[in-house]
Order: sequence, then structure tokens, then C-alpha cells
Amino acid sequence: DIQMTQSPSTLSASVGDRVTITCRASQSISDWLAWYQQKPGKAPILLIYRASNLASGVPSRFSGSGSGTEFTLTISSLQTDDFATYYCQQFDSYSHTFGQGTKLEIK
Amino acid sequence: QMQLVEYGGGVVQPGGSLSLSCAASAFTLSSYGMHWVRQAPGKGLEWVAFIEYDGRTKDCADSVKGRFIISRDSSRNILYLQMNSLTTEDTAVYFCARGRGPPPHQFFDFWGQGTLVTVSS
Repeated sequence: DIQMTQSPSTLSASVGDRVTITCRASQSISDWLAWYQQKPGKAPILLIYRASNLASGVPSRFSGSGSGTEFTLTISSLQTDDFATYYCQQFDSYSHTFGQGTKLEIK
Repeated sequence: QMQLVEYGGGVVQPGGSLSLSCAASAFTLSSYGMHWVRQAPGKGLEWVAFIEYDGRTKDCADSVKGRFIISRDSSRNILYLQMNSLTTEDTAVYFCARGRGPPPHQFFDFWGQGTLVTVSS
């Protein structure tokens, strides 16, 4: 199975900061990668699909890049509403593996 | 308004069975691939099972293979997950999610709110 590794596991930042989360795949997945945001007690929300495509209704401060085995999610200017846990997910294969998550905390 | 509502969660003893349902509103389940994803308490997300839009292709994670069965009732617009031989490792919130893209290349663009399954004696 394809393994997905996110870094960092926890990230402390302030409102207005630019932050980047990295996701690495154990083998090439082309651009079959999505990013989700999840808040406690809620379902995940799709942010990015096909590595760099912004999902409908998602603010433009979110962006994604990468291909092959290395991917990044960038939030250009953190807002209060962005403090949450973020997951990457590969959909190159049926296993649909998720990364372990990155918790974005207020500094 | 588009909705996915899961129900059927609860407490079950190890070795027991449980059936989850996911009712869709404002869209037709049989037009999309549908998935179950679970999240153990305090843990990350784990994909569980998939059924293609026409019901012909199904797949599930190795961790549940031979124990969980995904199915769909198109007439009722409901997705199901039959879970057998449950263990404590299956304790989780179970989400249904709509897939977009050609299988297996599906991301999940819409999720239900989840239903909690607790396996405990």
C-alpha cells in the first residue's frame, strides 16, 4: 500500500502568518492528491484536489502544489477559522491512504 | 440542500454485527462512487470501502476485508455498510463520502456528519 507522511504533525502559528504543510508519498502518485480540513467533531471538508485545484467555495488563501511524491498545502495568510487539522489523501489507488494529519494551532 | 446522513451506530459487543446506513438527499447516489471512511477516537482518517456508481465494482481496506460489506439501494437512495465480526479496533466514527473522478482516482467532495460505532464488552 502507498504510505502518506505529513510534516509537521503540529504547527503553531499566528493570524496573518503564511504556513506550509508537506505530504510525502512512498511512491509516485502523479497528482492524485487531495487536502482536507477537519475541525473537532465535524466531518472533513475538501480543500484541494488533483494536487493544485481549489475546491468549490474554498478561499483563495489556500493553495496546493506538487506532483510525484512530494506535495505542499499553503495558507497564505492565516485566519482564525483556519485553525484545524489538515489531512492529505492519495487517490492513485483504491487504498485511498490518508496522511496522519497536521494540527494547526494558535501560537 | 444536499445532505448525507449516517445512522445505525451504537454499542456492540466484540464478535457482533452492525449495519450502518447513509441516506442521501438532493442528489442521486447511483450517479456517484460512494465510500465509507472511519476515524478512531483521537486518530486520523482511514478509508474503509467503496462502491462504484453502477454497483458493479466494490473494494474495501485489508483491515475489514471478509468482514465488512458495502452495498446500495438505489430505489431508496441509501448506502449501507454491513459490519460483521467486529473487534475493538473497529471502534470509530464512520463517515460516508461522495467520490468524484474516475475510479480508483476518486477524492471525496462531500461527507456526512458521521455515526459512532463502539465495540466494547
